[in-house]
Amino acid sequence: GQQVMQIPQYQHVQEGEDFTTYCNSSTTLSNIQWYKQRPGGHPVFLIQLVKSGEVKKQKRLTFQFGEAKKNSSLHITATQTTDVGTYFCAGPRKSGAGSYQLTFGKGTKLSVIP
Amino acid sequence: DAGVIQSPRHEVTEMGQEVTLRCKPISGHDYLFWYRQTMMRGLELLIYFNNNVPIDDSGMPEDRFSAKMPNASFSTLKIQPSEPRDSAVYFCASSLASVTSGKRNTIYFGEGSWLTVV
Repeated sequence: GQQVMQIPQYQHVQEGEDFTTYCNSSTTLSNIQWYKQRPGGHPVFLIQLVKSGEVKKQKRLTFQFGEAKKNSSLHITATQTTDVGTYFCAGPRKSGAGSYQLTFGKGTKLSVIP
Repeated sequence: DAGVIQSPRHEVTEMGQEVTLRCKPISGHDYLFWYRQTMMRGLELLIYFNNNVPIDDSGMPEDRFSAKMPNASFSTLKIQPSEPRDSAVYFCASSLASVTSGKRNTIYFGEGSWLTVV
């Protein structure tokens, strides 16, 4: 099953409201990535965080990596209709076969009401 | 630059038929991944290759699924025989580096192959 937990699963916001999605791992991650998938589209890379406590900003998006490197968050300020989509976090996890692979959370689906 | 190219974009097939999905990764990328996306299970890694060699196929659901990468610019995912529960979006993706490298390991996804098995 999923080893990178993401909440909430769905979020409906009024345009202009803020939005936050959270990602949690039971083990320390060497890095964490965030992707956005528009409806009917494919996941597109947004950002990668590597350092403990790292904070990065992309316009209205703020990404944080926890001090213990087990959790991360994505915060969108003043949402717009263009923010609609599903936001995924992804971290390297060891598979049953012993190799590291990027494991995706189940995503948070954001709907923005105009 | 061209991204990851997948074909077909959409396929509807009858149960029991063979399905072949194709992928051309981004030139120069050493890693190729096949993911499956469903509402219930989200994005699951099926298999990945490094320099055309399958590294981890632990995500392949069963023997009906097989994947090959005969050269650096082409990969296939085959389902034989197909079943209705295989209906999903199948994404091929590629990256320059390992997921643990910390650098240049962004995964670039193709637009997906939407498979419906009836």
